[in-house]
Amino acid sequence: KQEVTQIPAALSVPEGENLVLNCSFTDSAIYNLQWFRQDPGKGLTSLLLIQSSQREQTSGRLNASLDKSSGRSTLYIAASQPGDSATYLCAVRRRAGKLIFGQGTTLQVKP
Amino acid sequence: AAGVIQSPRHLIKEKRETATLKCYPIPRHDTVYWYQQGPGQDPQFLISFYEKMQSDKGSIPDRFSAQQFSDYHSELNMSSLELGDSALYFCASSLPRQGATEAFFGQGTRLTVV
Repeated sequence: KQEVTQIPAALSVPEGENLVLNCSFTDSAIYNLQWFRQDPGKGLTSLLLIQSSQREQTSGRLNASLDKSSGRSTLYIAASQPGDSATYLCAVRRRAGKLIFGQGTTLQVKP
Repeated sequence: AAGVIQSPRHLIKEKRETATLKCYPIPRHDTVYWYQQGPGQDPQFLISFYEKMQSDKGSIPDRFSAQQFSDYHSELNMSSLELGDSALYFCASSLPRQGATEAFFGQGTRLTVV
């Protein structure tokens, strides 16, 4: 059974810091991995999608890496801003297509 | 660009009532997924459809049923509602289920059972 774990559960940093969010999964037989952002009570916004054959993806100040063999992914956020405050969820996609989510990292960026 | 549309956005029901949630996927997306997210929880997979057929089933209670229609929109029907059914219900869509494609989520329906 696929399990997805995110560390840390919560993170508070001052504005301008670079930070790394971690995601690990137990079954390396995945199609892809997605990172999402969720604001309180809101929907899920897709940030980055990494295919199983890829090592990393970049979008603006975000960079996500994937090491499928070790079952790990990281989301790197450069020069963090207060507007980055949200919960970040990683999810792996299995053969049947459904996404299995981690419990998220709640990020607070203080001005 | 068109996104996944869910309706209603908010719904308040009493215990033992019935609720119907609707999802309109992105045009040309033929796969729909339903997720339930309780307070402080991660989204839990309920059920999915591909080309109007159920493709996978997760932790969906027997009181719930869903279907995908000929225009690819999907409806989640929830009967005999319980207080514990209060949650955010998300719908997501993607291109063919076997493809390594991105899943796009709607804004969710917040169901409150009182």
